[in-house]
Amino acid sequence: DAGVIQSPRHEVTEMGQEVTLRCKPISGHNSLFWYRQTMMRGLELLIYFNNNVPIDDSGMPEDRFSAKMPNASFSTLKIQPSEPRDSAVYFCASSYRTSGHNEQFFGPGTRLTVL
Amino acid sequence: DAKTTQPTSMDCAEGRAANLPCNHSTISGNEYVYWYRQIHSQGPQYIIHGLKNNETNEMASLIITEDRKSSTLILPHATLRDTAVYYCIVSGDNTDKLIFGTGTRLQVFP
Repeated sequence: DAGVIQSPRHEVTEMGQEVTLRCKPISGHNSLFWYRQTMMRGLELLIYFNNNVPIDDSGMPEDRFSAKMPNASFSTLKIQPSEPRDSAVYFCASSYRTSGHNEQFFGPGTRLTVL
Repeated sequence: DAKTTQPTSMDCAEGRAANLPCNHSTISGNEYVYWYRQIHSQGPQYIIHGLKNNETNEMASLIITEDRKSSTLILPHATLRDTAVYYCIVSGDNTDKLIFGTGTRLQVFP
């Protein structure tokens, strides 16, 4: 398996533009997570899905952020409009949740720079 | 989920054992202790987890005190490639969420 795949790996955009980050989870996994990492705030969970259904979006910073999971093999995180403070590394992770075991597999991340 | 406390940074000589402590004094009975690490510029990587018994796998050993209020991750023979930030996380079986703190930055030196 190729692991969790994220695209693009790097994104540079200007303030006000729409940004879409993409994630392909590991085949067979039933949970998907979006995280954001900055020097100031560390690694934060934004939202996670279970069986394609959003379970907890309490970490989504504001209405400019939205996430979708139309099927088991694809998810997007969209920022519209983007702002400089959204600059961060965004990680997607997936897991196959079983009782007593919560091993999440992380993708390589997307480094977003908003000018 | 219970909060964890870890030292900000640690050093370890290559080939020696690295012992990374974690305090989780408010852990509840059904919460597990997870360890992940993040090598520079990469996504976090699962290492090991446990409930109350000590655990060992090909990467590390996890020692949990009898009262479960603290634990230690042991890398038996640290290499330069083990230089990373190590996160200790407490999480219950009733949630998929993992809350990452600030972790311990382990520097392995030659």
